[in-house]
Amino acid sequence: GQNIDQPTEMTATEGAIVQINCTYQTSGFNGLFWYQQHAGEAPTFLSYNVLDGLEEKGRFSSFLSRSKGYSYLLLKELQMKDSASYLCAVRSYSGGYQKVTFGTGTKLQVIP
Amino acid sequence: GAGVSQSPSNKVTEKGKDVELRCDPISGHTALYWYRQSLGQGLEFLIYFQGNSAPDKSGLPSDRFSAERTGGSVSTLTIQRTQQEDSAVYLCASSYSPQRKPTDTQYFGPGTRLTVL
Repeated sequence: GQNIDQPTEMTATEGAIVQINCTYQTSGFNGLFWYQQHAGEAPTFLSYNVLDGLEEKGRFSSFLSRSKGYSYLLLKELQMKDSASYLCAVRSYSGGYQKVTFGTGTKLQVIP
Repeated sequence: GAGVSQSPSNKVTEKGKDVELRCDPISGHTALYWYRQSLGQGLEFLIYFQGNSAPDKSGLPSDRFSAERTGGSVSTLTIQRTQQEDSAVYLCASSYSPQRKPTDTQYFGPGTRLTVL
């Protein structure tokens, strides 16, 4: 089976930097995704890591360590519109299937 | 091009009635997922279709839930004898996931908000 852990909630200040962690346990690991979900809306894709290291995309960066089963999403220069839930999702290959499993998400509140 | 569409956007039904929820994935996408999300909760995986393979039904919460995907495209999620605990937003997502070099980035539909009275 798979187990994905994220903090339930975080609060950060506008203009600051916040790091959202995700740990996972899975067999057949084959990639990790981060999605953003604003309240009442569907999730939207942010980033994808399959190799160890940091992937940077504007204000958002995502890091992966496969040996540690660990990833983080780094948000810089926080804006009020970044208040949302951030979902970590793990892709794995098992029994002939490529399957993506989501964590329960981290609700980020950005305050002035 | 068009994204993932779902219908209806809202459905209110009485306990014990059957409901059908529809998902039209992005054309050419090989994989289709159904999820359920209760208020303030994370995504709960329900079922996964990949090409012509047998679907992964491991997330369906009971035998009242079933899903079909006709012609590798449109999918219908059916809930029989609905219960109040079935009330949630049902999200569909599709991805381009061929056996070689899959991307697996999921594109979500707007969801169907189901309320069981």
